[in-house]
Amino acid sequence: DGGITQSPKYLFRKEGQNVTLSCEQNLNHDAMYWYRQDPGQGLRLIYYSQIVNDFQKGDIAEGYSVSREKKESFPLTVTSAQKNPTAFYLCASSTGTSGAKFFGPGTRLTVL
Amino acid sequence: GEDVEQSLFLSVREGDSSVINCTYTDSSSTYLYWYKQEPGAGLQLLTYIFSNMDMKQDQRLTVLLNKKDKHLSLRIADTQTGDSAIYFCAATSNAGKSTFGDGTTLTVKP
Repeated sequence: DGGITQSPKYLFRKEGQNVTLSCEQNLNHDAMYWYRQDPGQGLRLIYYSQIVNDFQKGDIAEGYSVSREKKESFPLTVTSAQKNPTAFYLCASSTGTSGAKFFGPGTRLTVL
Repeated sequence: GEDVEQSLFLSVREGDSSVINCTYTDSSSTYLYWYKQEPGAGLQLLTYIFSNMDMKQDQRLTVLLNKKDKHLSLRIADTQTGDSAIYFCAATSNAGKSTFGDGTTLTVKP
């Protein structure tokens, strides 16, 4: 089955720690995205990548980093520089940047 | 930049039709999408419409686009309790920039 997976589903972090959220897709999509969702709000773009070994900052990139070493994988690191990291993180992919996005199930990050 | 607005809440009775509205500001938005999000889950693509279309129907879903007013609506016929969710409108430009609305929470009462 083709799809997009995220792990873990729940993640707890102590202040000052970096954590990495995993995103994998087997849809053969070129473009991948990371969004942050806060309660009662829409999605805000953190980073996106249109091709392997290339990525661009979105609207709220500060305190986050990504890599795109493989087409299938687009991990997101939430660094200690991110002041308010508690949120629901969604990864998505699409055939091109204008195409419909397919979303993963999300990772809920809580900072203790 | 693009701004996409939706009303935050809608409540309907089971069996009625639901209409969720969305407005956007960028007239160059070429692709308009509707997504559904159930609690604790990711977004699921429901349907889409291109800017050169006025209407698209897909089973119980009807999308209407008024390009002049930059207004998009999603009608769900015979709404069921399983349709209770948050519905997001998203506008995407030719350059690939997507903007999401804040979502409309649909509550279906039995």
